Amino acid sequence: KAGVTQTPRYLIKTRGQQVTLSCSPISGHRSVSWYQQTPGQGLQFLFEYFSETQRNKGNFPGRFSGRQFSNSRSEMNVSTLELGDSALYLCASSLATTGTYNYGYTFGSGTRLTVV
Amino acid sequence: DAKTTQPPSMDCAEGRAANLPCNHSTISGNEYVYWYRQIHSQGPQYIIHGLKNNETNEMASLIITEDRKSSTLILPHATLRDTAVYYCIVRAQNAGNNRKLIWGLGTSLAVNP
Repeated sequence: KAGVTQTPRYLIKTRGQQVTLSCSPISGHRSVSWYQQTPGQGLQFLFEYFSETQRNKGNFPGRFSGRQFSNSRSEMNVSTLELGDSALYLCASSLATTGTYNYGYTFGSGTRLTVV
Repeated sequence: DAKTTQPPSMDCAEGRAANLPCNHSTISGNEYVYWYRQIHSQGPQYIIHGLKNNETNEMASLIITEDRKSSTLILPHATLRDTAVYYCIVRAQNAGNNRKLIWGLGTSLAVNP
């Protein structure tokens, strides 16, 4: 079956612009999480969606937002881009039901965002 | 969620077993140990997880100490394709809405020919 698909794979933006990244989870997976990965910080949790509702949020400024659609596809948006937002943004889907975590996450290959 | 401690890097000869340690001394009774790996430029890949019994699958074996304060991921016959960063994470199975994973910096495993 198809894996987690993230688009685009690479993106270059300038400071002050905004960007939208897309994630299509594995068919049947209803939970989608987003992570930011930078060399010094490792993977940092952004937020998680389940059935179109944000279930949990990491410690990122309000410039970072997301949403999930009825088909479980998810988007994340970063407004007013800063140089420090340059990172690999990873999406992970899971079969996890509400309140439980007994399945592993499947990650996409990520979107590498460069802010210049 | 409990935090984990892993060595930043390790080397292993191709064909030999790679033993990657992880300390999780503050693990709670309901927290599982998960292992993922990340090959350069790809997303992390699930390897294995366990609670207190040793586990084995087609990729690796997971050995958890009796007190559950540490564990070891074993790749029985490492290949060059196993070169990656390996992450050890502890996580409660049933934690309500708080399902985020806390990732450290992992162990960078280099498998040498």
